[in-house]
Amino acid sequence: NAGVTQTPKFQVLKTGQSMTLQCAQDMNHNSMYWYRQDPGMGLRLIYYSASEGTTDKGEVPNGYNVSRLNKREFSLRLESAAPSQTSVYFCATSKEDTGTGGQETQYFGPGTRLLVL
Amino acid sequence: AQSVTQLGSHVSVSEGALVLLRCNYSSSVPPYLFWYVQYPNQGLQLLLKYTTGATLVKGINGFEAEFKKSETSFHLTKPSAHMSDAAEYFCAVRLSGSARQLTFGSGTQLTVLP
Repeated sequence: NAGVTQTPKFQVLKTGQSMTLQCAQDMNHNSMYWYRQDPGMGLRLIYYSASEGTTDKGEVPNGYNVSRLNKREFSLRLESAAPSQTSVYFCATSKEDTGTGGQETQYFGPGTRLLVL
Repeated sequence: AQSVTQLGSHVSVSEGALVLLRCNYSSSVPPYLFWYVQYPNQGLQLLLKYTTGATLVKGINGFEAEFKKSETSFHLTKPSAHMSDAAEYFCAVRLSGSARQLTFGSGTQLTVLP
C-alpha cells in the first residue's frame, strides 16, 4: 500500500520545454489535487479533480493542464516551462464521499522538485 | 473569500519548552480547520483537524489545537517540545460544502534548540 506516489522526484528543464508530472494513488479516493509550494507562500492549488472524468481550476492554473486518466492517476502537464514555474509540486488525494461536506483529510505525496532554467 | 494567517514564519523553542504556533482565519462562516506538518524533503502529514463538536482537538505526537470562534483562531500547542518536532507547520482552512480547495497559511518553521 504505497498511498500517493509521484514521479519524477526531481527534474531540471530549460525554458520552453514541456513535461508531465505523474501522480498515482492506491487509496481508492475520489478526489485528487495538484499544489505548488513556494517559499513563504504555503501551498497553492493549481487544479483539482473531484471525481474521475472531471477537472477544475484552482488558484493558480495558468501555464498548466491536467488529465484525470482514471480513478488512480492524475497528471499535471507544463506545455512550455517558464522559470516562474520553478517550485515543488505536490499531489494530494481525499476520499470525498457524498455528504462528507469538506471535512475529509487530504493525503499528500512526497513531491516533485522542478527547476526551470 | 477565506484566508489564513500564521503569525511568525520562524519559531524557536528549547527542548522541553511549550510550543505555540499561531493561526488565524478569516471566513464568513466557521470553516473546517487543519494543521499539517512537513518534515524536510517530505510531503505534508495531517497533525489534527477540527470539523464539528469539541473545540479542543488532540492530534498526533502530543499536539493539540483549540478552535476559538470569537477570536477566529486555531492555535497549535504542545506542552513539551522534542527535537523530533523540528519541521514546518501549516494551518489550512476549508469551507463546508465548498469546492475542494484547502487554503493554506504561509507556514511556520519550528526549530527546537537543545
